[in-house]
Amino acid sequence: SAVISQKPSRDICQRGTSLTIQCQVDSQVTMMFWYRQQPGQSLTLIATANQGSEATYESGFVIDKFPISRPNLTFSTLTVSNMSPEDSSIYLCSAATGGSSGYTFGSGTRLTVV
Amino acid sequence: TQLLEQSPQFLSIQEGENLTVYCNSSSVFSSLQWYRQEPGEGPVLLVTVVTGGEVKKLKRLTFQFGDARKDSSLHITAAQPGDTGLYLCAGALTDSWGKFQFGAGTQVVVTP
Repeated sequence: SAVISQKPSRDICQRGTSLTIQCQVDSQVTMMFWYRQQPGQSLTLIATANQGSEATYESGFVIDKFPISRPNLTFSTLTVSNMSPEDSSIYLCSAATGGSSGYTFGSGTRLTVV
Repeated sequence: TQLLEQSPQFLSIQEGENLTVYCNSSSVFSSLQWYRQEPGEGPVLLVTVVTGGEVKKLKRLTFQFGDARKDSSLHITAAQPGDTGLYLCAGALTDSWGKFQFGAGTQVVVTP
């Protein structure tokens, strides 16, 4: 199965600033996804990152707040913009490894906004 | 409202005991996955089930997909402290290839 390297693993940021999270997959994947997870809670899908087109956002998430790039089939970034303490969370990227095979996840980025 | 309802939310048991986690929905899924997540890590895929009534075994873990493909269960026999973690079920709706809906998770704690 694919291996995903996600960085940074954690960061503490000042409110009003932006943080870009990177995910690198060791093989080409068609679809990549970005999730947010509150500690001890389940995953909420932010958006689907499509190569060659704009990301598709879920209800409650907008491009201005969470711009996503997908320049090729092995890489994607998520930016958390104009951060506030409410953005403190774990952010995870994942890749669909084909059909019903489920997801492979990165190890997550633990973001704290102060 | 969660598309997938997991129960219980939290489970604390002694080493050697058995446990079952349930994942229920009113929707039909083309496939369903179970993941385990440990603190500071991303979820790790345990199993994928795709056929109604399917049963899969992974050592001491037994996974079952309901006949109608709306529900699933995870049973752990003789739990060990290494089984501690957040267990998540995720289902793929039939018209959403690659996009899975996650349950709220079940936090399992196995004490020695």
